[in-house]
Amino acid sequence: DIVMTQTPLSSPVTLGQPASISCRSSQSLVHSDGNTHLSWLQQRPGQPPRLLISKISNRFSGVPDRFSGSGAGTDFTLKISRVEAEDVGVYYCMQATQFPRSFGQGTKLEIK
Amino acid sequence: EVRLVQSEAEVKEPGESLKISCKGSGYSFTTYWIAWVRQTPEKGLECMGIIYPGDSDTRYSPSFKGHVTISTDKSINTAYLQWSSLKASDTAIYYCARGFEMATMFDSWGQGTLVTVSS
Repeated sequence: DIVMTQTPLSSPVTLGQPASISCRSSQSLVHSDGNTHLSWLQQRPGQPPRLLISKISNRFSGVPDRFSGSGAGTDFTLKISRVEAEDVGVYYCMQATQFPRSFGQGTKLEIK
Repeated sequence: EVRLVQSEAEVKEPGESLKISCKGSGYSFTTYWIAWVRQTPEKGLECMGIIYPGDSDTRYSPSFKGHVTISTDKSINTAYLQWSSLKASDTAIYYCARGFEMATMFDSWGQGTLVTVSS
């Protein structure tokens, strides 16, 4: 199985300031179809996860443009350009290049 | 609007059987995968398996194979997750999610079903 490792596990951020979360996979996520199936999901308190970004950097419908994704191979990053109060929650990376799909441990974003 | 509505919370004793459901609406149920994802404080999010309602193609994660059964009834746009003999360690929140593009992304999630297994 592919192991996904996120850092940091907790990120206190000041409103209006940027935030960055890293995700590393135990092997390359480049699929034979040429795509890299790395997604980012957000889980607000008491809510199910929500898709933010797919294939490294494609923002899902309705996701604010302050969210962006980057990376390649085994190293990926989610950035929030200016954190807002509604961004509080836990962020997960997920790989779908191999089965079983696997998730990172989650990074808790909280406001200082 | 795409919606996945899951069955209500359950409290069961060890050894009992259980079947929880996930009803899809607002899209063509038979042309998207459905994934079942377990969430626990200890292990976080884990993909248990996926099913394609169109032909019932089902794939289980090795960690869950043999312990759960994933199925669908496409006549009522519903997917199921079932156990024949629950363990205390099955206590968790279970989510269904719609799998897009060969289940390479999960773009819509159910509200979750809390399953508590305790004697």
